[in-house]
Amino acid sequence: GDSVTQMEGPVTLSEEAFLTINCTYTATGYPSLFWYVQYPGEGLQLLLKATKADDKGSNKGFEATYRKETTSFHLEKGSVQVSDSAVYFCAPNLAGGTSYGKLTFGQGTILTVHP
Amino acid sequence: NAGVMQNPRHLVRRRGQEARLRCSPMKGHSHVYWYRQLPEEGLKFMVYLQKENIIDESGMPKERFSAEFPKEGPSILRIQQVVRGDSAAYFCASSVQATNTEAFFGQGTRLTVV
Repeated sequence: GDSVTQMEGPVTLSEEAFLTINCTYTATGYPSLFWYVQYPGEGLQLLLKATKADDKGSNKGFEATYRKETTSFHLEKGSVQVSDSAVYFCAPNLAGGTSYGKLTFGQGTILTVHP
Repeated sequence: NAGVMQNPRHLVRRRGQEARLRCSPMKGHSHVYWYRQLPEEGLKFMVYLQKENIIDESGMPKERFSAEFPKEGPSILRIQQVVRGDSAAYFCASSVQATNTEAFFGQGTRLTVV
């Protein structure tokens, strides 16, 4: 069946290091793809999205590219900051259609950035 | 414009009691989604409601769980006769329309069943 696999954490990096969090999915169609972030004590916030193949979503220095061939949507940032410490969720819309509310979440990756 | 408000933030119930979780969507939003996050797992979709209607309840357990979104007031997720396995974080999200718009999440309610 349809599913999402997200790189397990926790991930610990030093400030200014390069970040990659892998996300792959299985789906019968071409879902819209999302990354959400949860900062300590807060709700989930949409970080970036891509709705069709080869689209690149970007926000706050983070990027992810919709790779249809590999069914992946890896999250990257060239230089992380302490303030990026949070939990990151990959969340494709495996239900299909254009709903942004019914999503399938990965298990989340805890990122800790040290000064 | 306040964000999605969930209350209470923390709820403790004894086995067999009822739990009522509230979600006030953002102003102008008429679409509400409930998710459950069990320990060490990602969020799992439970139910999607639009004012006074349940649109998709494919993720709701068949027994003890119910949801409503009345014309006036917040959306309510109700769990009857709670068991220890219901202990989880419950998140609500809302959107202004059903498609092509961001869903905004609340901070969640952490339910602990003792």
